[in-house]
Amino acid sequence: NAGVMQNPRHLVRRRGQEARLRCSPVKGHSHVYWYRQLPEEGLKFMVYLQKENIIDESGMPKERFSAEFPKEGPSILRIQQVVRGDSAAYFCASSPGAHFQPQHFGDGTRLSIL
Amino acid sequence: TQLLEQSPQFLSIQEGENLTVYCNSSSVFSSLQWYRQEPGEGPVLLVTVVTGGEVKKLKRLTFQFGDARKDSSLHITAAQPGDTGLYLCAGERQAGTALIFGKGTTLSVSS
Repeated sequence: NAGVMQNPRHLVRRRGQEARLRCSPVKGHSHVYWYRQLPEEGLKFMVYLQKENIIDESGMPKERFSAEFPKEGPSILRIQQVVRGDSAAYFCASSPGAHFQPQHFGDGTRLSIL
Repeated sequence: TQLLEQSPQFLSIQEGENLTVYCNSSSVFSSLQWYRQEPGEGPVLLVTVVTGGEVKKLKRLTFQFGDARKDSSLHITAAQPGDTGLYLCAGERQAGTALIFGKGTTLSVSS
């Protein structure tokens, strides 16, 4: 089985542009989580989605950031009007959602803002 | 405030030595996971512990979950250069919810 697939692996944007990060979960997994990793800060939770629903977005900035997990297709993390501070590695994880089933991570998208 | 405190932050040892990494919190977790992350890659799950006092072994790695489910440790016996990497502990407050990560321990094992 393929693991969590994220693309692109690297994304360069200029300030003010939009960034779209994609995540295809492990086949059969209906729960998707997005995390952001900054140097020296560790991984921070952003948003938790199930198919067509946002379950918890408490870690996501209120402005410029949005996420979706449509019925068909990958989960998308969208950052509008990017700023230099958005530069980070963004990781997606998926799980089947059953009790004590661990989250499996993709290899991330490294976003660089010029 | 960091909910999960990992220590030490950096560890540099010689091949064959033993080491222990600690993950501590004042909060109770329903489960705790240990991951290992290589540069440029995502975290890879090593183990999940869910029961207070639980001990799990994975070859030379021994994982323990504290009795009160507030802390955990990772012990590596006879470390090898291939053990080099970033070790992350992550806890779930409730099953199926977001993971809370420690900042990680960067381990370097030289031959």
